Amino acid sequence: EAGVAQSPRYKIIEKRQSVAFWCNPISGHATLYWYQQILGQGPKLLIQFQNNGVVDDSQLPKDRFSAERLKGVDSTLKIQPAKLEDSAVYLCASSLLTSGGDGTQYFGPGTRLTVL
Amino acid sequence: SQQGEEDPQALSIQEGENATMNCSYKTSINNLQWYRQNSGRGLVHLILIRSNEREKHSGRLRVTLDTSKKSSSLLITASRAADTASYFCAKEGSYIPTFGRGTSLIVHP
Repeated sequence: EAGVAQSPRYKIIEKRQSVAFWCNPISGHATLYWYQQILGQGPKLLIQFQNNGVVDDSQLPKDRFSAERLKGVDSTLKIQPAKLEDSAVYLCASSLLTSGGDGTQYFGPGTRLTVL
Repeated sequence: SQQGEEDPQALSIQEGENATMNCSYKTSINNLQWYRQNSGRGLVHLILIRSNEREKHSGRLRVTLDTSKKSSSLLITASRAADTASYFCAKEGSYIPTFGRGTSLIVHP
């Protein structure tokens, strides 16, 4: 079974530029998560999708971050414009999370973003 | 905000010793999961314990859950250098998972 795919693996941009990350979850996984992980901290949930609907985006800075999951499969996360404090690893995860499911998440390798 | 924290933040032991790390949380949970993260990589699921369970084992891993104290512990027995990683607990309540800061474990060969 293929794992969660993310691209790019690394990205360096200057502040005020825009950037987009892509995630392809495990086939059949209804739920997709985007996390931001700042160095030395745990992952912070940015947005959670169930199929192509948003379950929670309370911690997504909506003035600059946006995410979509068209057709309930792939997802993109965009930052526009980027700030220095956006430097972090952006992790994508997916889970089955059907009714009564355990919500075990399978993580991709992450995208390391550096904002100069 | 992130709910609960892992403790200790850092742990350094010799190969063969046991490593214990703890996780606390504030509100009720449906289940709790432990994950490992090797440097520069994504998280890997280790073990899930449900709110009605008190202890689970998986290989050299033992997880306990005390819902009255709102805490969980992860024990790694007979540690190996390859266990060097950060360990996180994820608390799942209303389907929104929250992670703590993690415990950084270093196992010296």
